[in-house]
Amino acid sequence: QKEVEQNSGPLSVPEGAIASLNCTYSDRGSQSFFWYRQYSGKSPELIMFIYSNGDKEDGRFTAQLNKASQYVSLLIRDSQPSDSATYLCAVNFNNNDMRFGAGTRLTVKP
Amino acid sequence: GAGVSQSPSNKVTEKGKDVELRCDPISGHTALYWYRQSLGQGLEFLIYFQGNSAPDKSGLPSDRFSAERTGGSVSTLTIQRTQQEDSAVYLCASSSYYGQGIYEQYFGPGTRLTVT
Repeated sequence: QKEVEQNSGPLSVPEGAIASLNCTYSDRGSQSFFWYRQYSGKSPELIMFIYSNGDKEDGRFTAQLNKASQYVSLLIRDSQPSDSATYLCAVNFNNNDMRFGAGTRLTVKP
Repeated sequence: GAGVSQSPSNKVTEKGKDVELRCDPISGHTALYWYRQSLGQGLEFLIYFQGNSAPDKSGLPSDRFSAERTGGSVSTLTIQRTQQEDSAVYLCASSSYYGQGIYEQYFGPGTRLTVT
């Protein structure tokens, strides 16, 4: 079974705070993990991906991966109102077979 | 370069009619995916094509749904005898190989289907 689980939220943080988004997946053999952002009425857009255990930083975004725990997270530092969106976790189970979580809705309040 | 394109952008149809949704992937992308997203919901996987391999149809919700990919490029998703619960945004994505076993997926703008 190919499952990707996310807390649907909504998650609300004040402007300038750190937003933490979490995701778990079912297949221990999964190799690559993705975070997408989706604004209301728009298509998902890729924020970043990670494939090695540990942290990967890109600007205000940090992805964290723990393969032993089958857990991946996204931290958004200095959150801005423009970060308000639904964040989708995606897992490449094998051979380019990508599955998505249900998404976490984030609201950043000014 | 050109991204993933989908047509039509909006489709309103009467219950019981058949509809065809089209996806033009990014040139050179070997993998193509169809997803469905109902209002306020996550992405529901429908079908996945990878090169010349048999497609993974495990997400198609019923036998009224079918998809094909011609010449390894353009794909058409067909819904027969549409029902009101088929109303959703249908998203297509194609993927490129980044390296190290990683494929980056790019989405089209979607087709909003409304069944009346």
